[in-house]
Amino acid sequence: EAGVTQSPTHLIKTRGQQATLRCSPISGHTSVYWYQQALGLGLQFLLWYDEGEERNRGNFPPRFSGRQFPNYSSELNVNALELEDSALYLCASRRQETQYFGPGTRLLVL
Amino acid sequence: GQNIDQPTEMTATEGAIVQINCTYQTSGFNGLFWYQQHAGEAPTFLSYNVLDGLEEKGRFSSFLSRSKGYSYLLLKELQMKDSASYLCAPHNDYKLSFGAGTTVTVRA
Repeated sequence: EAGVTQSPTHLIKTRGQQATLRCSPISGHTSVYWYQQALGLGLQFLLWYDEGEERNRGNFPPRFSGRQFPNYSSELNVNALELEDSALYLCASRRQETQYFGPGTRLLVL
Repeated sequence: GQNIDQPTEMTATEGAIVQINCTYQTSGFNGLFWYQQHAGEAPTFLSYNVLDGLEEKGRFSSFLSRSKGYSYLLLKELQMKDSASYLCAPHNDYKLSFGAGTTVTVRA
């Protein structure tokens, strides 16, 4: 069974630009979660999608947004990038209670 | 709000035992996860406790006391590959809240 996949693995942007990160869940999983992990910090919950709907979002500004497609893959969009958005962005898909993580996208904002 | 507390760092010798404690205060609670994260990699699932007591899975065991808001992860017969960050994550309504993680360093 293939795991959660994310693309790109690395992304370099400049302040004010927009970034789009992609995630494909494990086959059969309908829930997708996004987390931000800044250097030296714990995972911070960003967004949760299930069956194409946004179910919950964390304490992040509206310039962090996303969507989930009919095939359950998901996109995370970050607008008006700021330096402090530099982090590892992790996607996870869920089966029952357990979340399984992808390898992450490392975003660097210069 | 969520408050999850675990030690920042622990060091132990190969073959030894290490216990990572986690205390939590969360609004709502269904269970508690432990994940392992090697540097630069994704977290991987280790254990999930719903009921009070000890769950053993090979060299790793996890304990939960719901009334005390307390859990620990026990790593036995430490190996060099166990050097990683260990994340405590209480779970409520299909959402996880993560602690900052405990970095375990295993020395030869």
